[in-house]
Amino acid sequence: AQTVTQSQPEMSVQEAETVTLSCTYDTSENNYYLFWYKQPPSRQMILVIRQEAYKQQNATENRFSVNFQKAAKSFSLKISDSQLGDTAMYFCAFIKAAGNKLTFGGGTRVLVKP
Amino acid sequence: ETGVTQTPRHLVMGMTNKKSLKCEQHLGHNAMYWYKQSAKKPLELMFVYNFKEQTENNSVPSRFSPECPNSSHLFLHLHTLQPEDSALYLCASSQTTSGGLYEQYFGPGTRLTVT
Repeated sequence: AQTVTQSQPEMSVQEAETVTLSCTYDTSENNYYLFWYKQPPSRQMILVIRQEAYKQQNATENRFSVNFQKAAKSFSLKISDSQLGDTAMYFCAFIKAAGNKLTFGGGTRVLVKP
Repeated sequence: ETGVTQTPRHLVMGMTNKKSLKCEQHLGHNAMYWYKQSAKKPLELMFVYNFKEQTENNSVPSRFSPECPNSSHLFLHLHTLQPEDSALYLCASSQTTSGGLYEQYFGPGTRLTVT
C-alpha cells in the first residue's frame, strides 16, 4: 500500500516571499503520478500541479514548481511570490499509473500574511 | 467552480435517520468518486464508479450505500450513522479512472454532522 506524508502541519509566509512544502511517499511502483491540490477556506479543492514519475523534468505552473526526487521519494512544492489568495490547505497525493485510487497526505495549512 | 456540484452543503442528522447526499457533474466525465475528509486525517477514498460500474469500495461500512444511476450523478445513501461519521464528504469526477492521466475535479463537499 502507498503512503503519503506531509510533515509540516502549518506554515506561514509573508506576501511576495517564497515557501516550500515537503511531501514524501512510499511505494514499490515505478510508474505513478504525484499531485499537489489546493483547498482554500470553504472553497473547492483544485489541482495545482502534476508530475509524472517517468519524467525527470520538474513540473512548473506559473508561480508553483516542484522538486521531484524519485530515488528519495520526495515531492516538494515551492510557491514563489506568495499572494494572499494562496492561503489554503495544500495536499500532496499519489496515484499508480494504472490505478484509480488517489492517496492523500495529511495536508499543510499555508497562511500568507500581508 | 469546478463543474461538480453537491447538495446539500450542510446536513445534520440523527443516528436513526436516513438521508442522501447528491453529486452532479457537468463535465461529461465517466468516473465519479466519494471521499471522506475528517478533521486531522487524510482524505480517504470511499467509492469509485467508472461508466456507472463500481470499481472500488475501500472497505466502507454498509451504513454508507452509493448509487450511480448515470455518469453524471452520484448519490451516497446514509442510514444509522455514528457520530464518528461526521465529516466533509467530497465528490469528484474525472474523464475515466486511468490512473493520473486525467485530473480529478472536486465538488464543494457536504458537511455532515451526526448527532
